[in-house]
Amino acid sequence: KAGVTQTPRYLIKTRGQQVTLSCSPISGHRSVSWYQQTPGQGLQFLFEYFSETQRNKGNFPGRFSGRQFSNSRSEMNVSTLELGDSALYLCASSSTGGANVLTFGAGSRLTVL
Amino acid sequence: GENVEQHPSTLSVQEGDSAVIKCTYSDSASNYFPWYKQELGKGPQLIIDIRSNVGEKKDQRIAVTLNKTAKHFSLHITETQPEDSAVYFCAASTGNAGNMLTFGGGTRLMVKP
Repeated sequence: KAGVTQTPRYLIKTRGQQVTLSCSPISGHRSVSWYQQTPGQGLQFLFEYFSETQRNKGNFPGRFSGRQFSNSRSEMNVSTLELGDSALYLCASSSTGGANVLTFGAGSRLTVL
Repeated sequence: GENVEQHPSTLSVQEGDSAVIKCTYSDSASNYFPWYKQELGKGPQLIIDIRSNVGEKKDQRIAVTLNKTAKHFSLHITETQPEDSAVYFCAASTGNAGNMLTFGGGTRLMVKP
């Protein structure tokens, strides 16, 4: 069974640009969550999508957005990039909602110059 | 919102010794407590989890205990091996907030051969 796939794995952007990250969940999983991991702030919840609807949103500015498609694949977008957006962005999928096991992907490492 | 504190931030043990990592949480409504192991260049991997209706759970060399009254839970690793070296994260979820996890700050475990 294929795991959670995130693309791209690494990317470098400059301040002011925007970026789109992609996540393909485990087949059959309908919930996709996104987390930001930085050395200073640790692992922080961004948002969760379930059946194409955003169910929860963390405390991040509106520059961070996401969506989920009918095949459960998800994308997140960060506009007007800032240096502080440099981080590992992790996607996790779960079969259902509500305190279930999350399986994480390897992450997309974003560097903002 | 929920706040999870994790101690120690680094832990060095000799191979074969036991390791204990402790976490406290603030939201009494939290009812799901997973532990993740993250190796370099990889996403977090679930190693064990416990729900609030259980006080202790064991899986081979790994065990987790939960004290709901004191709002703390602990990870115990016995007979540590060099491959246990990694960063360990505890997390908490209320379940009512979908799959939103609040993570502790992480513990870097080093097992010396």
